[in-house]
Amino acid sequence: EVQLVESGGDLVQPGGSLRLSCAASGFTFGSYAMSWVRQAPGKGLEWVSILSSSGGTTYYADSVKGRFTISRDNSKNTLYLQMNSLRAEDTALYYCAKGRKEGITEVLPDYWGQGTLVTVSS
Amino acid sequence: QSVLTQPPSVSAAPGQKVTISCSGSSSNIENSYVSWYQQLPGTAPKLLIYENNKRPSGIPDRFSGSKSGTSATLGITGLQTGDEADYYCGTWDTSLSAGVFGGGTKLTVL
Repeated sequence: EVQLVESGGDLVQPGGSLRLSCAASGFTFGSYAMSWVRQAPGKGLEWVSILSSSGGTTYYADSVKGRFTISRDNSKNTLYLQMNSLRAEDTALYYCAKGRKEGITEVLPDYWGQGTLVTVSS
Repeated sequence: QSVLTQPPSVSAAPGQKVTISCSGSSSNIENSYVSWYQQLPGTAPKLLIYENNKRPSGIPDRFSGSKSGTSATLGITGLQTGDEADYYCGTWDTSLSAGVFGGGTKLTVL
């Protein structure tokens, strides 16, 4: 059974930093691209970033480019999102999600975690 | 403003059929596979349809997907009260080099 468990969400001041983690199990983590998708309170889904299975290719939404960095440790089956220069509009539930197709990066997810809440406020 | 356009809400009676549209462009829907997700209140999104019209294991055949040109459609037949949820379309945008989602459609089963 695929399991994705996010952690690291917190209340942080504008301009601050935070690192999210996602522990994966139930599949061959190193064979799949992994994504972060966020959802602001009461709003729709917003795609944030994706990282290829090897970690060599990354894509970001324009809204986070230059501020967020996605990374992974395939030896620990863990995905990360380093978030810097946080803004109020980054407040959201952040979901970790598994790429649907093995070896393909430009693909949307199949399985999603339950999310971790990031609140940016003074 | 979402890259993909969905109606904010749709409604139908139990047992009836409903369709949800998703409109995009040549840089996304027309040249990429479309996925559909169901988000029940307070839960994470769940994949309903992938590669335009395929259902993951465990998804009933009451759910169907189709695509034509720059638009995609999710169909749900035999509506049940348990189908009340938000539904999102998503795909890859080759111009943006990013994933994109529709704004979501709230389904009410009257």
